[in-house]
Amino acid sequence: AQSVTQLDSQVPVFEEAPVELRCNYSSSVSVYLFWYVQYPNQGLQLLLKYLSGSTLVKSINGFEAEFNKSQTSFHLRKPSVHISDTAEYFCAVRKTGNQFYFGTGTSLTVIP
Amino acid sequence: DVKVTQSSRYLVKRTGEKVFLECVQDMDHENMFWYRQDPGLGLRLIYFSYDVKMKEKGDIPEGYSVSREKKERFSLILESASTNQTSMYLCASSLVRDTEAFFGQGTRLTVV
Repeated sequence: AQSVTQLDSQVPVFEEAPVELRCNYSSSVSVYLFWYVQYPNQGLQLLLKYLSGSTLVKSINGFEAEFNKSQTSFHLRKPSVHISDTAEYFCAVRKTGNQFYFGTGTSLTVIP
Repeated sequence: DVKVTQSSRYLVKRTGEKVFLECVQDMDHENMFWYRQDPGLGLRLIYFSYDVKMKEKGDIPEGYSVSREKKERFSLILESASTNQTSMYLCASSLVRDTEAFFGQGTRLTVV
C-alpha cells in the first residue's frame, strides 16, 4: 500500500525567510509526485509535479522540489517566503494506474 | 483550462436527509474522484470512477454511494446524512495516464 508522510503539520516562518516542507513516501514501484496548495475554503491547486526527467522541479512562484529516489523523499523548498504563501500544502503520490495518495498536509504560516 | 465544478460551495442539511453533491468536469477526463477533507486527516478517498458506470470504493465508502451516468458528471450521495459527515468534500478528475488531478472548489457540508 502507498503512504505519504508529511512530517510537519504546522510550519511558522518569518517573511523572507527560507522554508522546507518535508514529504516522504513508501513505494516499491516508480511513482509520480505532486505538491498541491490549498488556500482557505478553496480546492487544491497544483503547485508542481515530478513525472520523469530532471529530479529538480520548479513552480512559477519560486517553489521547488527535488525527487530523491534513494531517500523516497520529495521535499518542497522556497528560499524566501511571502505573506501570500500562507496556505495548506499537500504532497501526493500516484503510481501507474488511477489512484492518488495524499499526505495529511502542512499548514504554512508566514509571519510579518 | 480544465474546469471542475462542484454544484454548491456551502450546504446545510438535517440529519437523515438524502444529500446529493454534484461534480462536473469539462476536459473529457476518464477518472473522477470524491474525497473528504478533515483537519489533521488530510484527504481521504471515498469513491473513484474510471469510466461511465464504473466505480471503486476508496478508503471510507461507508454511508456514501456514487453515480456516474455520463462521463463528465460524478455525483456523491449521502443516503441518510449524519452529523459525522460534516466535512469539506472535494471532487477531482484526471486522465488515465499519469498526470495530475484537477480539483473543484470544494463543498463545505454541515449536517445538523
